[in-house]
Amino acid sequence: DIVLTQSPALAVSLGQRATISCRASQSVSISRYNLMHWYQQKPGQQPKLLIYRASNLASGIPARFSGSGSGTDFTLTINPVQADDIATYYCQQSRESPNTFGAGTKLELK
Amino acid sequence: EVQLVESGGGLVQPGRSMKLSCAASGFTFSDYYMAWVRQAPKKGLEWVASISYEGSSTYYGDSVKGRFTISRDNAKSTLYLQMNSLRSEDTATYYCARQEGGQLGNWFAYWGQGTLVTVSS
Repeated sequence: DIVLTQSPALAVSLGQRATISCRASQSVSISRYNLMHWYQQKPGQQPKLLIYRASNLASGIPARFSGSGSGTDFTLTINPVQADDIATYYCQQSRESPNTFGAGTKLELK
Repeated sequence: EVQLVESGGGLVQPGRSMKLSCAASGFTFSDYYMAWVRQAPKKGLEWVASISYEGSSTYYGDSVKGRFTISRDNAKSTLYLQMNSLRSEDTATYYCARQEGGQLGNWFAYWGQGTLVTVSS
């Protein structure tokens, strides 16, 4: 299985940039498609899709969220961070079955 | 508006069975693959199973293969998960999700609110 590694937590100040990383144990890219996706989950709520195929913003997601990366290294950027963005963020790969998720990065206020 | 509403969770003893349902609305159910994803208490997300448009193809995670069965009724816009031989490690919130992307990768675009399954004696 492809293992996705995320830092457990990231502390950020409101109005600043947050950069959340996800590293895969092997490439999750096929041709020009980068099969990494990002989700936001707030306490007591279901996950919400933010970014699909590494850099495509999901419907209704604010433009302060963006994604980048290819191969094994991917980044979710939130700029500027707002209070409503405090949550846990998960990456997910679909290059190989089974789909796997990272353990999540908890975004905290500094 | 896309809505996914899970039901059927609760407390069940180890070794017993339970069936979850997910009622879908706001979209043409048969046009999408569907999936179950679970989350153990205070833990991360784990993909459980997926099913094709008409239900002819099903896919399972290794931890549930041979014990769980995913199915769907397109006439009722409902997704199911039959869980047999339940174990304590199956304790989790189970989410129903609409899967998108097809051959070029797949992701979970919409999620239900989840239903909690607790396996304990």
